Amino acid sequence: AQKITQTQPGMFVQEKEAVTLDCTYDTSDPSYGLFWYKQPSSGEMIFLIYQGSYDQQNATEGRYSLNFQKARKSANLVISASQLGDSAMYFCAMRVRQTGANNLFFGTGTRLTVIP
Amino acid sequence: GAVVSQHPSWVICKSGTSVKIECRSLDFQATTMFWYRQFPKQSLMLMATSNEGSKATYEQGVEKDKFLINHASLTLSTLTVTSAHPEDSSFYICSAREGEASYEQYFGPGTRLTVT
Repeated sequence: AQKITQTQPGMFVQEKEAVTLDCTYDTSDPSYGLFWYKQPSSGEMIFLIYQGSYDQQNATEGRYSLNFQKARKSANLVISASQLGDSAMYFCAMRVRQTGANNLFFGTGTRLTVIP
Repeated sequence: GAVVSQHPSWVICKSGTSVKIECRSLDFQATTMFWYRQFPKQSLMLMATSNEGSKATYEQGVEKDKFLINHASLTLSTLTVTSAHPEDSSFYICSAREGEASYEQYFGPGTRLTVT
């Protein structure tokens, strides 16, 4: 069975500071992908970053980087230089090949609030 | 970039009526589309996976006769909530994937359904 765990229901960060959002996962499939999505109050899911299980290097996309620790089964999202517009819900998700349809399993999310 | 639209963005209906939600991929052909449901302050839960030209695959606990999904073309999938009840009130989000090799799902903006 697949499981995604986000243990931080809410996080606060000062503007311009960096923040780490935690995500751990569990799967028996050796081939999987990890995703982070941002969901602002308007509701749309915005793709941020992707890490494949066989990728040797941590993924980076602008101010977003994924701290992938395979042995610990963690895929934490690091947001550098936080901006007020970063305030939103953040979801970690996993896709495994063995499910056939390759759908995403989502964590419960972390609400990030950036303080001016 | 890949764009997925949903229509309507919000809808209010009376108990017992049916509501149809459309999900369209605007600039790519979606071989697979997914329908998610999100209750307030909760995560996304996959309802069903649809592939163009075939029957949808429903997740455990989702009533296929209540939530009718049709994936009639490579750019359109519809979700019909039949005989809606207040407990069906939720945020419904679709996503689309371009092909099996694609790891990324593109999400629609969501449809907020309120059943009175």
